[in-house]
Amino acid sequence: TQLLEQSPQFLSIQEGENLTVYCNSSSVFSSLQWYRQEPGEGPVLLVTVVTGGEVKKLKRLTFQFGDARKDSSLHITAAQPGDTGLYLCAAAPGNQFYFGTGTSLTVIP
Amino acid sequence: DTAVSQTPKYLVTQMGNDKSIKCEQNLGHDTMYWYKQDSKKFLKIMFSYNNKELIINETVPNRFSPKSPDKAHLNLHINSLELGDSAVYFCASSQASGQETQYFGPGTRLLVL
Repeated sequence: TQLLEQSPQFLSIQEGENLTVYCNSSSVFSSLQWYRQEPGEGPVLLVTVVTGGEVKKLKRLTFQFGDARKDSSLHITAAQPGDTGLYLCAAAPGNQFYFGTGTSLTVIP
Repeated sequence: DTAVSQTPKYLVTQMGNDKSIKCEQNLGHDTMYWYKQDSKKFLKIMFSYNNKELIINETVPNRFSPKSPDKAHLNLHINSLELGDSAVYFCASSQASGQETQYFGPGTRLLVL
């Protein structure tokens, strides 16, 4: 069992559709991060959420931190082919950094 | 200028060989990391170094040894390579340890034959 479980593991959608990716844990975190990894590259930070219930928007991406700070969601509106990639949530309970199991998103033109 | 760089980008070698992967960051960060990403894309931390001191050492085989000659460099040496070591290895850095944003290198794709 991983500390951070993401769902779905794979997602293939048509351009213009909406989608939501989930990151769940039984642990409480002081903050949680979302990264996107494009093929052949390293992960790049998208956002950090800190407060329970917090909602952050990054253009068509909406991130929410659960009220209990155990889970988070990423919602993409009107997905574009450029959104294709591996989405990873991450948290550091204590001094050690953990990444989620990942969601591989493919947006078909 | 590249913030976090790794060399080589690709590494193909025979089982039993010893190899090193180099990492350099020009961000002035205090902490550097090595991650292994397996075929299922799961990213797992292997080591981190803060001011030349190992602060996290995951349960990785002792065939793997990180070496940090200075704050800007964290190299990964692997002895007696095994088939299961095939993966993509990422170097990363952050200003401090813990919750800080991590900046990743482009990865080193290791294939052990």
